[in-house]
Amino acid sequence: NAGVTQTPKFQVLKTGQSMTLQCAQDMNHEYMSWYRQDPGMGLRLIHYSVGAGITDQGEVPNGYNVSRSTTEDFPLRLLSAAPSQTSVYFCASSYFFTGEAGANVLTFGAGSRLTVL
Amino acid sequence: AQSVTQPDIHITVSEGASLELRCNYSYGATPYLFWYVQSPGQGLQLLLKYFSGDTLVQGIKGFEAEFKRSQSSFNLRKPSVHWSDAAEYFCAVGSSYNTDKLIFGTGTRLQVFP
Repeated sequence: NAGVTQTPKFQVLKTGQSMTLQCAQDMNHEYMSWYRQDPGMGLRLIHYSVGAGITDQGEVPNGYNVSRSTTEDFPLRLLSAAPSQTSVYFCASSYFFTGEAGANVLTFGAGSRLTVL
Repeated sequence: AQSVTQPDIHITVSEGASLELRCNYSYGATPYLFWYVQSPGQGLQLLLKYFSGDTLVQGIKGFEAEFKRSQSSFNLRKPSVHWSDAAEYFCAVGSSYNTDKLIFGTGTRLQVFP
């Protein structure tokens, strides 16, 4: 199993450009999420999904779009990149609530470092 | 408001010394508590978790953590630090009913001197 795979690992954009960060998991996890990590801020939740066709906003959703057409994939779209979106982005997945303690521990991808000039 | 506080931004220890990283939380429901470690350039790896039962939990790489409900704390400890433990450590709180609401602390960066 590959776990959670994120692409690309590095990306440089100019202000106003758009791009998509890809996230795929092969563990049949219902729950998938995107976090951004900034120095001194820890990890902040951007968007999440509890299953195909279902998405919701996290703590910092502005400027980002998501969709969940399959269980495996959860892409994050930046429609018009801004310097404030310079960050490291992590995708994470887990089983959703199953009533079994410990089943829904997050598995993280290796991260995507984005720089917006 | 729900939150996680890691009061130490940066800790430096000598190899072989003991380590304690602090974590305090504010959470309305019964908390599920986690410690994750992030090595440079890597994603986050789960060290240990607490859901219920014995308040002293053992994790990977020789780490342990103790849940103290009266102090709203979940401090991470290791009796003897190795140079390979240099990394950033994150405490997180959530519940089994709200995986989507996992709240992370701001992290503690650990530096280990030989």
